[in-house]
Amino acid sequence: GQQLNQSPQSMFIQEGEDVSMNCTSSSIFNTWLWYKQDPGEGPVLLIALYKAGELTSNGRLTAQFGITRKDSFLNISASIPSDVGIYFCAGPNKISSGSARQLTFGSGTQLTVLP
Amino acid sequence: DGGITQSPKYLFRKEGQNVTLSCEQNLNHDAMYWYRQDPGQGLRLIYYSQIVNDFQKGDIAEGYSVSREKKESFPLTVTSAQKNPTAFYLCASRSGPSYNEQFFGPGTRLTVL
Repeated sequence: GQQLNQSPQSMFIQEGEDVSMNCTSSSIFNTWLWYKQDPGEGPVLLIALYKAGELTSNGRLTAQFGITRKDSFLNISASIPSDVGIYFCAGPNKISSGSARQLTFGSGTQLTVLP
Repeated sequence: DGGITQSPKYLFRKEGQNVTLSCEQNLNHDAMYWYRQDPGQGLRLIYYSQIVNDFQKGDIAEGYSVSREKKESFPLTVTSAQKNPTAFYLCASRSGPSYNEQFFGPGTRLTVL
């Protein structure tokens, strides 16, 4: 099946630094989704990307849909302590039939922000 | 407020017992999903349902069962046949066939003693 390779697996950064993480696939995706999961909670959708080359911002977060449609990037500027959590990329699974629109998830990037 | 609720937040059960996890949504979403998350890992799909009275197995359906008798509700039963049931369980929903975004509930942490 389709796989999403997310990197890095974990990051330790100082408060105020910028962060960059990415997600790659051997298959083409027509949608990229970025989620954040706080400890013990469900993932929350941060940004949805629908068009190759698209650059979308949500506050200090910016995500890009790679031009090859096989990758996506998430950047966080001026990190703060509440940015701590796991960030997942996801995309619709082409194997799923009809309108089921199953998602394939990356394995996540664990972000730790040091004061 | 519209959203997805899961209950309980924490659940403890003895080995060999079946247990049912609740998932309710008032978003009027058609599709609903159950995922399992183990420590340090991503999300794995257990079951999904596109419409009422219809559901399909995901990647790791063995030892689980579901029902979809109402649009708002998609309960998951973890049976005694599930070898390693201790995990964090997440329910999600999606609004309609034109959308890919799934929205998640707060999760239920199941511990089998």
